Amino acid sequence: NAGVTQTPKFRVLKTGQSMTLLCAQDMNHEYMYWYRQDPGMGLRLIHYSVGEGTTAKGEVPDGYNVSRLKKQNFLLGLESAAPSQTSVYFCASSTGSSGANVLTFGAGSRLTVL
Amino acid sequence: GQNIDQPTEMTATEGAIVQINCTYQTSGFNGLFWYQQHAGEAPTFLSYNVLDGLEEKGRFSSFLSRSKGYSYLLLKELQMKDSASYLCAVKDSNYQLIWGAGTKLIIKP
Repeated sequence: NAGVTQTPKFRVLKTGQSMTLLCAQDMNHEYMYWYRQDPGMGLRLIHYSVGEGTTAKGEVPDGYNVSRLKKQNFLLGLESAAPSQTSVYFCASSTGSSGANVLTFGAGSRLTVL
Repeated sequence: GQNIDQPTEMTATEGAIVQINCTYQTSGFNGLFWYQQHAGEAPTFLSYNVLDGLEEKGRFSSFLSRSKGYSYLLLKELQMKDSASYLCAVKDSNYQLIWGAGTKLIIKP
């Protein structure tokens, strides 16, 4: 059981370039999330999805776009990368949002923007 | 605003006991989570508290006091593999998770 898989694991971009991070889960989870993790800060929610075909903004959505065309996949796009987007990005999934629903995280994608 | 506070770093000795505190101020409360994150890896779930009191799971226990906005994670019989960051997170009234910055725990032999 793979759980949550993120690709790529590492990427270096130049300012202004675009890229897409792919997240895939095989647990049939309805909810999927994209977080960024920066030193000295808690995980911050970028965008999330409560089901196939739906997306919603989180705490720090500016500069990012997402799509959830298939239930198992959640894509995070950067249209014009900026150095402030240098971070470790984590995808997560869960069965729902209420109660003790636990997040299952991917291994992370480390992005550096020069 | 919403805020989760936990110590930045703690050091403990192998075989000892350590308590990691978390205080929170959030818009509503729908549960508190502790996750463990080894360096360079994904966070993994440790515990969940929604009612006041102590939840025990093997060497790990988690305590919650909703009236004080306070939780702690207690780790007993520390092992070197417990060296990691411990993340406290609270679900607010909208069922969104608010995360603390994490406590880096260093275990010394």
